[in-house]
Amino acid sequence: DARVTQTPRDKVTEMGQEVTMRCQPILGHNTVFWYRQTMMQGLELLAYFRNRAPLDDSGMPKDRFSAEMPDATLATLKIQPSEPRDSAVYFCASAPGRVLGAFFGQGTRLTVV
Amino acid sequence: GQQLNQSPQSMFIQEGEDVSMNCTSSSIFNTWLWYKQDPGEGPVLLIALYKAGELTSNGRLTAQFGTTRKDSFLNISASIPSDVGIYFCAVRLSGTYKYIFGTGTRLKVLA
Repeated sequence: DARVTQTPRDKVTEMGQEVTMRCQPILGHNTVFWYRQTMMQGLELLAYFRNRAPLDDSGMPKDRFSAEMPDATLATLKIQPSEPRDSAVYFCASAPGRVLGAFFGQGTRLTVV
Repeated sequence: GQQLNQSPQSMFIQEGEDVSMNCTSSSIFNTWLWYKQDPGEGPVLLIALYKAGELTSNGRLTAQFGTTRKDSFLNISASIPSDVGIYFCAVRLSGTYKYIFGTGTRLKVLA
């Protein structure tokens, strides 16, 4: 049963600490997305990659957020330093080349205190 | 930027009732998708629509791609308690691989 895997599922951290979220996309999917979900803003696209190359990170605060794909099986989203306003659920999703639709992981619930 | 507005924002219905919701945009899109999100989970793709006017079903769910290409509709027939969740519409931005999501419709079913 192919699925997107995200770790950790939950993370509580103190303000100022570095946070790294990891994602394993579905094997064979060549587009990977990072979304953030909050009550106020809904689902926002932060960044996405195609064939491991970053195509758009305009939704991401660049001073503290960074997204990378070190290889085809791993995508990372890093926040340094974290702030309370970063508290949200972060989703990774992946999509195959020709078929419509992105497939989501279960998310990482981040709480910054 | 582009915005997808969903209506209603939330709804309570009785088990067995049919449900209708819609999604509208001020821009034209060539593909529309519907997702459902259960509590504590990521959104799951329900239906993808590729062509204006298209009507597509997935079990008790039926979705339509509006003829103006600025809206889409989702109907759920004979609702059951497990239909509870948030339903999102989404579109892929033309010329990109980006998906943007609507504001969501929260469905609650009363047994």
